[in-house]
Amino acid sequence: DAGITQSPRHKVTETGTPVTLRCHQTENHRYMYWYRQDPGHGLRLIHYSYGVKDTDKGEVSDGYSVSRSKTEDFLLTLESATSSQTSVYFCAIGQGPDRELFFGEGSRLTVL
Amino acid sequence: KNEVEQSPQNLTAQEGEFITINCSYSVGISALHWLQQHPGGGIVSLFMLSSGKKKHGRLIATINIQEKHSSLHITASHPRDSAVYICAVTDTDKLIFGTGTRLQVFP
Repeated sequence: DAGITQSPRHKVTETGTPVTLRCHQTENHRYMYWYRQDPGHGLRLIHYSYGVKDTDKGEVSDGYSVSRSKTEDFLLTLESATSSQTSVYFCAIGQGPDRELFFGEGSRLTVL
Repeated sequence: KNEVEQSPQNLTAQEGEFITINCSYSVGISALHWLQQHPGGGIVSLFMLSSGKKKHGRLIATINIQEKHSSLHITASHPRDSAVYICAVTDTDKLIFGTGTRLQVFP
C-alpha cells in the first residue's frame, strides 16, 4: 500500500475558525490532490499540486488554499471555516494523471 | 449534464450473480479509473485503463474509447463485494468522478 496519511482524521470546529488538514506521503509521488466528498456528489477536486510550490485550483476551490513546500506534504487550509465546508476530505497521490491513484483514509470535518 | 455518468446508481444482487456497472463519459480522456469505496470510507483503486480490457480475480474492466463507455463486471459476486464503485476519467491534469454505484450483495 502507498504510504499516505491524513491528519487529523476527525475534527469539529466552529464557524469562522481556521482549519488546516495535512496530507503526508512517503512515496515521492509528483501529484497530490485534495477532494471533498458530499452526499449526492462525486468526489470534487478542491486543489491539486504537480510539484513543490506548483499548485492549481479545482472545481470547488473557493474558501480553500493549499501549500506544498516539500514533496511529501500537501496542506489544505480553510481560512475561515463555514458550515458548507462540513464534508469528508480525501487526499490522493499519484505519479501522473494517467497513472494509478492512491487515497488517504479521509478526514471528516464538521463546522458548527 | 455530468461529464461522467454511472448506471445504475443502486444495485442489489444475490450472492453468486454476475454484476455489471456502466460508466459513460463525454470528455476526451487519457485514462479511466475504477475505484472501490467500502462503508467506513477508504477508497481503493481497482483498475486504470486506456484501452481494451483488464482482469483481476473476479473483476473485469472494459473500455470502448470510440463509444466513450466503460463497464466493470464482477463474476460470482460475494457479500464482501458490497461497496460503492466509482468511475473516474483523466482529463489533462485532473480527474472527473462519477457519483458512484452502490452495490449490495446478499447471501
